[in-house]
Amino acid sequence: AQSVTQPDIHITVSEGASLELRCNYSYGATPYLFWYVQSPGQGLQLLLKYFSGDTLVQGIKGFEAEFKRSQSSFNLRKPSVHWSDAAEYFCAVGADSGYSTLTFGKGTMLLVSP
Amino acid sequence: EAGVVQSPRYKIIEKKQPVAFWCNPISGHNTLYWYLQNLGQGPELLIRYENEEAVDDSQLPKDRFSAERLKGVDSTLKIQPAELGDSAVYLCASSLGQVTGELFFGEGSRLTVL
Repeated sequence: AQSVTQPDIHITVSEGASLELRCNYSYGATPYLFWYVQSPGQGLQLLLKYFSGDTLVQGIKGFEAEFKRSQSSFNLRKPSVHWSDAAEYFCAVGADSGYSTLTFGKGTMLLVSP
Repeated sequence: EAGVVQSPRYKIIEKKQPVAFWCNPISGHNTLYWYLQNLGQGPELLIRYENEEAVDDSQLPKDRFSAERLKGVDSTLKIQPAELGDSAVYLCASSLGQVTGELFFGEGSRLTVL
């Protein structure tokens, strides 16, 4: 069965600084990888996804993520963080088994300081 | 186009009472999911429907939880009787069902059991 590890429970970044959120997955075959963001009291919104091809994927709100098979990682990055980026971020993996159920990590809470 | 709609947004009940949550997916989305999100955790799948058929309910605690998706559109998740440990957010999501497809989430129903 697939699994996702997000090692950082909380991260604090100064506004304007760069951001990297870590995600490691476990899955035997080619994974389908996703990053979702959840603002307080809201549902999850898709930031970006990777299926195949170019290992650097671009998403909404200026986010990008890089798939590294050798490291089983799919880290999320943003060059300059805005206060509105403060939220909880979830990495998820989908199984290559013909259906679209996702397994989520426990999330990383991003705090943005002035 | 309307997103995934859930109700109620908030529910407070005493233990041993029943509770029900309702979900209306995005029009045309055949796949519907109920996820459980405990505080500080990522969403965990409870049940997945393909049209009106429950195709993955292995994580649904069937002694007290039940779900239905009559006519393959709206869905209801019920807990009877509720326990203190059921306090959580219940998220509904829908998708077109492809393995690479995006899951669209509702805002969730937050349950507090006293």
